[in-house]
Amino acid sequence: QKEVEQNSGPLSVPEGAIASLNCTYSDRGSQSFFWYRQYSGKSPELIMSIYSNGDKEDGRFTAQLNKASQYVSLLIRDSQPSDSATYLCAVKHSSASKIIFGSGTRLSIRP
Amino acid sequence: SQTIHQWPATLVQPVGSPLSLECTVEGTSNPNLYWYRQAAGRGLQLLFYSVGIGQISSEVPQNLSASRPQDRQFILSSKKLLLSDSGFYLCAWDETGIRDEAFFGQGTRLTVV
Repeated sequence: QKEVEQNSGPLSVPEGAIASLNCTYSDRGSQSFFWYRQYSGKSPELIMSIYSNGDKEDGRFTAQLNKASQYVSLLIRDSQPSDSATYLCAVKHSSASKIIFGSGTRLSIRP
Repeated sequence: SQTIHQWPATLVQPVGSPLSLECTVEGTSNPNLYWYRQAAGRGLQLLFYSVGIGQISSEVPQNLSASRPQDRQFILSSKKLLLSDSGFYLCAWDETGIRDEAFFGQGTRLTVV
């Protein structure tokens, strides 16, 4: 079992719709969760961090965390072509200062 | 503000040659430092992480090594490169307990020929 799992996609969403990205993790003691966006050929950039159960909103982005289900999600509202990228879920390990990434989900926003 | 520098941006090296990639962080003290590798079309594989000077944890057995000679300097090395070492190498930092989010350098695209 991979420590952090994501659907590789590609996920195709029409412009203006909501994109939903999902992630599960195996380390039940994890406390810190992150979503990164990576454009082709570039380094990942942080979109959101979430530490407690529930929703956290930042502009068009909403991160959701459910520790009981070991599940993290990212919703992107009013999707724009510039949102087309690979989205990486990351989890900070509970017993060591290391951050583990999922393999990423490719998102494509079609006009 | 904190910044991270990673160089070079691109590198083409022959099989069997040595490697040295350097990463430095400014504007913070005692950061956690990370080296990741990303093969084409794949996710980020954690190679090494360090919580302090001289403290290196290796995640994947390979012909790579890492060192942290100074608080804000992290070096990735190899004595003899393999074709399979090609990839996008990323350095990152964070501050556990202060700011858990990791921030990345621009990356080094290594092609072993």
